[in-house]
Amino acid sequence: QKEVEQNSGPLSVPEGAIASLNCTYSDRGSQSFFWYRQYSGKSPELIMSIYSNGDKEDGRFTAQLNKASQYVSLLIRDSQPSDSATYLCAVNILGNNDMRFGAGTRLTVKP
Amino acid sequence: DVKVTQSSRYLVKRTGEKVFLECVQDMDHENMFWYRQDPGLGLRLIYFSYDVKMKEKGDIPEGYSVSREKKERFSLILESASTNQTSMYLCASSAGGETQYFGPGTRLLVL
Repeated sequence: QKEVEQNSGPLSVPEGAIASLNCTYSDRGSQSFFWYRQYSGKSPELIMSIYSNGDKEDGRFTAQLNKASQYVSLLIRDSQPSDSATYLCAVNILGNNDMRFGAGTRLTVKP
Repeated sequence: DVKVTQSSRYLVKRTGEKVFLECVQDMDHENMFWYRQDPGLGLRLIYFSYDVKMKEKGDIPEGYSVSREKKERFSLILESASTNQTSMYLCASSAGGETQYFGPGTRLLVL
C-alpha cells in the first residue's frame, strides 16, 4: 500500500462546479497535511495546510481532514479554468522532516 | 516571500558526465530537500539536509550525492549521469517539519 494515495484522474468538471479531490494516507502518526497545486511544467505551490479534524476554508478552497478514517480532501468551489492543474496531497509526521507526497490528481475545468 | 532558486531550468548532459544541480534559499530554513518527479511516480525524495554539513538519504539516493557547506545552499551531484536519471529535479526548503517551499525545478535530459 502506498503511503499517500490519490486518484490520478483526470478529473473533469465544468466551470462553476465544485471539484472534489481526495487523498488517503497509511500512517496513523501523521499530523500535518498539505495540498499543493502544480501547473504543467511548473513546481508545486502550497494551497493549504490542515492539522486538526474538520474543515478549513480559504476563499474558494476548503480542506477537510478526518484522522479516524485517514483521509484528507480538497474542495474547490466555483471552479475556474485557471484551476486546471495537478493537485498533490502531502502528509507529514509533525516534527519529522519526512514529507510524503501522493502522485497527484489531474484536474481539468472546462469552460 | 520565501524564495528558492535553482541554478538551471534545463540541462542536457551526456552519459557518464558529472552533473551539479544547485539550490539556494533565502529564508534561513534549516531543512532542504532534493526530489525527482517522474510521470505516474510523483515526487520521490533523493536526499535531505537538516543542518549544514548534515545529510540524510531519502528513498532513492543511489547514483546521487549531496553537499551542504552553507545553510542557504544545497547541491545535488550526479557522479556519473545515466539515461535513467533523466527527470525533473525539484529542490525544496522548510523550517522545522512544516510547509515545504519549492524551487522552479530543473529539467535534466541525459543522452
